[in-house]
Amino acid sequence: EPEVTQTPSHQVTQMGQEVILRCVPISNHLYFYWYRQILGQKVEFLVSFYNNEISEKSEIFDDQFSVERPDGSNFTLKIRSTKLEDSAMYFCASSERGGASTGELFFGEGSRLTVL
Amino acid sequence: AQTVTQSQPEMSVQEAETVTLSCTYDTSESDYYLFWYKQPPSRQMILVIRQEAYKQQNATENRFSVNFQKAAKSFSLKISDSQLGDAAMYFCAYYTPFKLTFGKGITLSVRP
Repeated sequence: EPEVTQTPSHQVTQMGQEVILRCVPISNHLYFYWYRQILGQKVEFLVSFYNNEISEKSEIFDDQFSVERPDGSNFTLKIRSTKLEDSAMYFCASSERGGASTGELFFGEGSRLTVL
Repeated sequence: AQTVTQSQPEMSVQEAETVTLSCTYDTSESDYYLFWYKQPPSRQMILVIRQEAYKQQNATENRFSVNFQKAAKSFSLKISDSQLGDAAMYFCAYYTPFKLTFGKGITLSVRP
């Protein structure tokens, strides 16, 4: 069964460093998303991406964050100058449809980011 | 802004019994989608059930069903014949174009 894969599963970084989290969405999906979940808290929307553009972003997704689809398969989240409060589980998701008619969002297993 | 509220942080159910998880949401939209996702300890979220707001009929998926009350903005999940494998975190979620908003989640435990 097709699935969304994320790497790395766990990354530890020093405060101020840049990290890139990678995702391989399901191959025929066109809509991509990043979410994060701080330990014990709710899952928060960061950004959605379609047709090589950001479709929607939350107030969390400030200039520190960027997303890219560098090739036909990967979807990346870059976090510049990481802060302690960026420590969280980051989930990638994809869907075949979006906009006004959405199908299911398929989630990856997450990348745990620990900022020291 | 849309909000999703799950007021019960935890619930427990006896195996083979029925449990209902509550969810309310706030929106000014008329067309949207509602979802329940399950997050087992492995941490990957899995879709349990989906409801289109324009459909009056409540969605059903095997042992899982919803009670969708559009006027009351309520979307509860009923799990019948609970199984040990149902133990997980359950998230109610609301979708409008390009954005899925989650509630805080509820931890469901199943007693053997």
